[in-house]
Amino acid sequence: GQQVMQIPQYQHVQEGEDFTTYCNSSTTLSNIQWYKQRPGGHPVFLIQLVKSGEVKKQKRLTFQFGEAKKNSSLHITATQTTDVGTYFCARGAQKLVFGQGTRLTINP
Amino acid sequence: DAGVTQSPTHLIKTRGQQVTLRCSPKSGHDTVSWYQQALGQGPQFIFQYYEEEERQRGNFPDRFSGHQFPNYSSELNVNALLLGDSALYLCASSLNRGSSYGYTFGSGTRLTVV
Repeated sequence: GQQVMQIPQYQHVQEGEDFTTYCNSSTTLSNIQWYKQRPGGHPVFLIQLVKSGEVKKQKRLTFQFGEAKKNSSLHITATQTTDVGTYFCARGAQKLVFGQGTRLTINP
Repeated sequence: DAGVTQSPTHLIKTRGQQVTLRCSPKSGHDTVSWYQQALGQGPQFIFQYYEEEERQRGNFPDRFSGHQFPNYSSELNVNALLLGDSALYLCASSLNRGSSYGYTFGSGTRLTVV
């Protein structure tokens, strides 16, 4: 239905390694938003993707929206300890439907 | 500073009691949404308020109700509390004209029902 599935649920990396989280939907998405939630914190908006095949970059973060608009990914190059947290994708506009998130931990 | 202010930050209530949570949106925002986040889960949409009206509602029982005031601030009320209502309650504000800039979330109210 309207759910978005995120994988993996957990990811542990060495500092400096890359990280990728994937968001998948069984139905076409009009848009996808990405949020980051630090441990003990609240979700913080990172980006919104709207167009098929869209790729956006924010420093070491690269966001992609699939050609079929059914999947999206967030890739972090050369992770730093400040990247620790849970990354959520969310579909929708007025009502956001969040995935379960990917929890990223980093070994310094 | 999140820009969205929620109070209280923590709350402990007994089963069957009622609770009111408060939210002041980010300056300039006119739309307020409430989410419930259980431990280890993604936020779940409760409802959204715009122009003092409930515009959309998630899959939550009528025990959950809300209000938006003329100054755009909002309250979330939960009646007849259950143990399962224990969660982090997040308020998120936005501009009605579009979600391009995403939602700004507050730090949340941690509700514990005992």
